[in-house]
Amino acid sequence: DSGVTQTPKHLITATGQRVTLRCSPRSGDLSVYWYQQSLDQGLQFLIQYYNGEERAKGNILERFSAQQFPDLHSELNLSSLELGDSALYFCASSPVGTGNTEAFFGQGTRLTVV
Amino acid sequence: AQSVTQPDIHITVSEGASLELRCNYSYGATPYLFWYVQSPGQGLQLLLKYFSGDTLVQGIKGFEAEFKRSQSSFNLRKPSVHWSDAAEYFCAVKNDNAGNMLTFGGGTRLMVKP
Repeated sequence: DSGVTQTPKHLITATGQRVTLRCSPRSGDLSVYWYQQSLDQGLQFLIQYYNGEERAKGNILERFSAQQFPDLHSELNLSSLELGDSALYFCASSPVGTGNTEAFFGQGTRLTVV
Repeated sequence: AQSVTQPDIHITVSEGASLELRCNYSYGATPYLFWYVQSPGQGLQLLLKYFSGDTLVQGIKGFEAEFKRSQSSFNLRKPSVHWSDAAEYFCAVKNDNAGNMLTFGGGTRLMVKP
């Protein structure tokens, strides 16, 4: 158990809909990262938040957004969903925003868009 | 931009045999390198990491990896594979200049024959 909690574990929704994925980082970790794992794109970094502020952005679509709340949990919002958004979405956390520390991953949320 | 290549998509070894999974990276500065393992339906678990110092690093579950700067490689090894090692293995490099995100290789799926 990494200490990173993601909910829900599975999500099935229709095209055009909007969903919210939730992540609780390890206790004390200030940084949260979101990654997408799909068959065609592999594991891709989406976005990072550090202590409530956006720190880095990767290949995140404009239809997707994220935020980190004062209690440090994070949410990834996916809207106008398309079939191609079906993927495993991972959240990870680390103590700081930069430096030689590893990230700890949650078990992921599997999103299926039908 | 940094990149990670795992040349072998699939590898099959017999139980008890030795294992080497290849990883090559492209990164201008001193890299922070990681190996993660993903078992079916599970999240990503950190096996080992290299930040600096001794180029041979030991990890969990009997794995080790060797950093070779001249070859831009960070290959993962295990002297004797167990059936429970069947999983997908990901090599990753951290770009400290861009907020600590990880760039992953495409992964190597390991199958273990009895």
